[in-house]
Amino acid sequence: DTAVSQTPKYLVTQMGNDKSIKCEQNLGHDTMYWYKQDSKKFLKIMFSYNNKELIINETVPNRFSPKSPDKAHLNLHINSLELGDSAVYFCASSQVTENYGYTFGSGTRLTVV
Amino acid sequence: LAKTTQPISMDSYEGQEVNITCSHNNIATNDYITWYQQFPSQGPRFIIQGYKTKVTNEVASLFIPADRKSSTLSLPRVSLSDTAVYYCLVARRDSSYKLIFGSGTRLLVRP
Repeated sequence: DTAVSQTPKYLVTQMGNDKSIKCEQNLGHDTMYWYKQDSKKFLKIMFSYNNKELIINETVPNRFSPKSPDKAHLNLHINSLELGDSAVYFCASSQVTENYGYTFGSGTRLTVV
Repeated sequence: LAKTTQPISMDSYEGQEVNITCSHNNIATNDYITWYQQFPSQGPRFIIQGYKTKVTNEVASLFIPADRKSSTLSLPRVSLSDTAVYYCLVARRDSSYKLIFGSGTRLLVRP
């Protein structure tokens, strides 16, 4: 199936831990994103990578570090997790030259306890 | 990026046509209007995108007046499965392409 897939789907961890969320897209898109959706359901962009190059960094704490090993992957590493990091994290991809918008993954629900 | 304003919630019944209007008074010449749908526990899903006049696909129609300061998403004959949050967004399609989501419109379709 062509899609944006992210793993894991659920992640429960203790404060202070370091965790990673992986994202892969097989759509051939050149741009990938990370969004955070908090408990109030607001979706906020965090990062954007275009052809492995960081192009958007929306004042996210430097505990969050995206890594794009290639055009099809954008992983999110989070250091020293805090309670406020609990949210659903969505990966997405797009091809600017196409008219089909973003394709989002199904989300990773992160719970910090 | 232009800010969008849309109703917080709407109610409808199965089989009715639903029109959700969004205002984007500060839309720029290079901006496109895009609508997304989000079900609980899922990522947003692209519905439709337009620049001006009318766009129609198998899911919805998008009406954009000449001044482009508003747009209307039209969902024909909604069903219970159309209950979701609908987001209206304005974005510039260039290398800094990013979608800024507002609070969306929570559509509840009743039997």
